[in-house]
Amino acid sequence: SQKIEQNSEALNIQEGKTATLTCNYTNYSPAYLQWYRQDPGRGPVFLLLIRENEKEKRKERLKVTFDTTLKQSLFHITASQPADSATYLCAPAGGSGGGADGLTFGKGTHLIIQP
Amino acid sequence: NAGVTQTPKFRVLKTGQSMTLLCAQDMNHEYMYWYRQDPGMGLRLIHYSVGEGTTAKGEVPDGYNVSRLKKQNFLLGLESAAPSQTSVYFCASSPGHPSYNEQFFGPGTRLTVL
Repeated sequence: SQKIEQNSEALNIQEGKTATLTCNYTNYSPAYLQWYRQDPGRGPVFLLLIRENEKEKRKERLKVTFDTTLKQSLFHITASQPADSATYLCAPAGGSGGGADGLTFGKGTHLIIQP
Repeated sequence: NAGVTQTPKFRVLKTGQSMTLLCAQDMNHEYMYWYRQDPGMGLRLIHYSVGEGTTAKGEVPDGYNVSRLKKQNFLLGLESAAPSQTSVYFCASSPGHPSYNEQFFGPGTRLTVL
């Protein structure tokens, strides 16, 4: 079955630096990969979607890469701010080896931006 | 637009009791989902619907039932609650297939089963 791995421990980054989060997947060849942000006590919020034929996608201070050979996506936040502190979830989707018609999420990485 | 709303926000049940969680969306989305989120387990899909009158099982459907009688509503039922169903439940919707469409999540329902 497919397996999705994200940094299990909290990631502490100093304000102003670039935060890089990793999403690795196995037993799966997704055609898309989505990233969500979740704040405590709230539902996830969609950030970005990248397709398998796109190597990189940007939105304001966010950048996502998708390496189908390494089976990995990297999520970057440049010029990080304390307000970026949250849990970030990745969700590979579509393609072959996927599950039911919903998203399968990684467990998330808790990002802490320290002033 | 309210987006996706969930009722109730909190609920405490005793083992064996039943309840229904209501999800409503005002975006005319075809797809709707119920997830549960537990510490260390992440979000897991319980049931989903690809349109009015349709439902399908997700990853962890046992102990739950769902109905989608109206396009805007998706109900999640627990017929006989168990402590293992203590969790935070999230409803979501999307305009099309979830692989390449953004999912919109509700605020969640925190359920405790004693």
